[in-house]
Amino acid sequence: KAGVTQTPRYLIKTRGQQVTLSCSPISGHRSVSWYQQTPGQGLQFLFEYFSETQRNKGNFPGRFSGRQFSNSRSEMNVSTLELGDSALYLCASRGAGTSYNEQFFGPGTRLTVL
Amino acid sequence: GENVEQHPSTLSVQEGDSAVIKCTYSDSASNYFPWYKQELGKGPQLIIDIRSNVGEKKDQRIAVTLNKTAKHFSLHITETQPEDSAVYFCAASKGGGGADGLTFGKGTHLIIQP
Repeated sequence: KAGVTQTPRYLIKTRGQQVTLSCSPISGHRSVSWYQQTPGQGLQFLFEYFSETQRNKGNFPGRFSGRQFSNSRSEMNVSTLELGDSALYLCASRGAGTSYNEQFFGPGTRLTVL
Repeated sequence: GENVEQHPSTLSVQEGDSAVIKCTYSDSASNYFPWYKQELGKGPQLIIDIRSNVGEKKDQRIAVTLNKTAKHFSLHITETQPEDSAVYFCAASKGGGGADGLTFGKGTHLIIQP
């Protein structure tokens, strides 16, 4: 079974631009969560989508948004980029049943804002 | 919200020795506690997890213990090997179908000395 895939793996943007990141979950997983990882703040929860609906949201400004499609693929968008948005953005998918807690992470998208 | 403290931030052990990483959490409603291993350039990989109705769980050289009263949980790695070198993260969540995001500790850089 293929793991979680994220595209692109690397991105370089300038301040003020916007960016869209993509995540394809493990086949059969309907839940997708997004996390931001930085050296200073560590791993922080952004939001989770399940069946195309946002179920939970972390403490991030409205510039961070996301969506999920009917095939469970998810996108995350960051508008008006700031230098502090430079980070590794990780996507995690979750199954159902007895393993519903277990989140499996993709390799991440490394975003650099100049 | 939940707060997870993780210690130590760096741990160096001789190959073959044991390593212990400790975490404390603040929200008594948290009931799911996973541990992740992250190697350079990769996303976090789930290595073991424990739910609040269990005090200890073991998987080969890795074990996790949970003390709900004291709100702390620990990762134990025995007979350490060079491939155990990585950053380890503990996390906590309320879990369940409510899709609460994971709150992570700041990570422990485990170094296995040959």
